[in-house]
Amino acid sequence: EIVMTQSPASLSVSPGERATLSCRASESVSSNLAWYQQKPGQAPRLLFYDASTRATGIPARFSGSGSGTEFTLTISSLQSEDFAVYYCQQYNKWPPLNFGGGTKVEIK
Amino acid sequence: EVQLLESGGGLVQPGGSLRLSCAASGFTFSSYAVSWVRQAPGKGLEWVSSISGNGGSTYYADSVKGRLTISRDNSKNTLYLQMNSLRAEDTAVYYCAKDKDITIFGVVALFDYWGQGTLVTVSS
Repeated sequence: EIVMTQSPASLSVSPGERATLSCRASESVSSNLAWYQQKPGQAPRLLFYDASTRATGIPARFSGSGSGTEFTLTISSLQSEDFAVYYCQQYNKWPPLNFGGGTKVEIK
Repeated sequence: EVQLLESGGGLVQPGGSLRLSCAASGFTFSSYAVSWVRQAPGKGLEWVSSISGNGGSTYYADSVKGRLTISRDNSKNTLYLQMNSLRAEDTAVYYCAKDKDITIFGVVALFDYWGQGTLVTVSS
């Protein structure tokens, strides 16, 4: 079973600042890694797949990187609509299909 | 426009049963694998089950194996989750989610569209 670990669990950032979120896999998932954004009361939204490919409609201020076991989601200049919980998910080797525990990005 | 609309949630007693449905539109339903993902109140995302586009392959989390059954009716563009022997720990919002790429015979489990979810509460 591949365990996905996200850090930090929460992050306080001022609007306009940069946010860096990390996701670590317990074994290599190659580039088969997705990032999702979830706002309160809403379903998750796909941000990135294949670790660094932006999904349709995702602004360029979001970037994804990494391969193997270490991945990063970066938001270059946080906007008010970016405050949310972010999840990583591997789809390289499953079942079970595991998500990370999430990183909550809060307004500072 | 792709739409996934879940229904069937509600309050059920421990040991009871419930059947969730997910009505799909805006894409060729039979060409895509679909999955159920749940989220307990205030918690993270937990994968539950997946089914290939043709329904021939199914996968389950250990926590639900033998109690929950995924199925689909491609003639009705609808995904189902039959939930038996429900436990308090099954309390969650249940989302259906669609694979991003065509997956008739298998499942990739990369989700590009999600429904809005249906709440299942297991309590006496």
